[in-house]
Amino acid sequence: EVQLLESGGGLVQPGGSLKLSCGASGFTLSNYAMTWVRQAPGKGLEWVSVITGGGGRTYYADSVKGRFTLSRDNSRNTLYLQMNSLRAEDTAVYFCAVYGSPSRLFDPWGQGTLVTVSS
Amino acid sequence: DIQLTQSPSFLSASVGDRVTITCRASQGISSYLAWYQQKPGKAPKLLIYAASTLQSGVPSRFSGSGSGTEFTLTISSLQPEDFATYYCQQLNSYPITFGQGTRLEIK
Repeated sequence: EVQLLESGGGLVQPGGSLKLSCGASGFTLSNYAMTWVRQAPGKGLEWVSVITGGGGRTYYADSVKGRFTLSRDNSRNTLYLQMNSLRAEDTAVYFCAVYGSPSRLFDPWGQGTLVTVSS
Repeated sequence: DIQLTQSPSFLSASVGDRVTITCRASQGISSYLAWYQQKPGKAPKLLIYAASTLQSGVPSRFSGSGSGTEFTLTISSLQPEDFATYYCQQLNSYPITFGQGTRLEIK
């Protein structure tokens, strides 16, 4: 069964850093494009970042560009989101998902991990 | 950036009703549009991709149509488990964007 499990969320002060992980089971993560999507409390979905399969090219939303870095460890079958210079507006549940191609879709999704940026 | 506008933002309906949600894109996105259902405290669930292809395991009462800039999600006969929030998403170009959501509630 294909599963994704996020971890690493928590409370962090403004300006701080946090690294989220997304562990994959049932498939080889490096063969697929992967993505992060976030959802602020009571708000809609916001795309954050994509890393392509194979070559590992990355794309970011303007709201996180220069502060967030997406990477993966193929030996651990894990995706990471390094978040620096965190702001209050980064407070959200962060979901990882498989970016399926060529159909272009996000599926499946993990259960999400909550990041709270507050002093 | 491509903006997606869903209408309505809120919909009240009864079990058995037929409902349609519209998603309009600020520029053409071919058929690179997906629909997701989200229930409180849960991850989004893929319903439709490529504008009209039903994801495996999704009931056939869900259907999608459209291309270019206007798209629709239709639920032919609402079931109790369908009351949730629905989002459209464009994957034509970066940044990938979502509509603001349509909250579907029981009348």
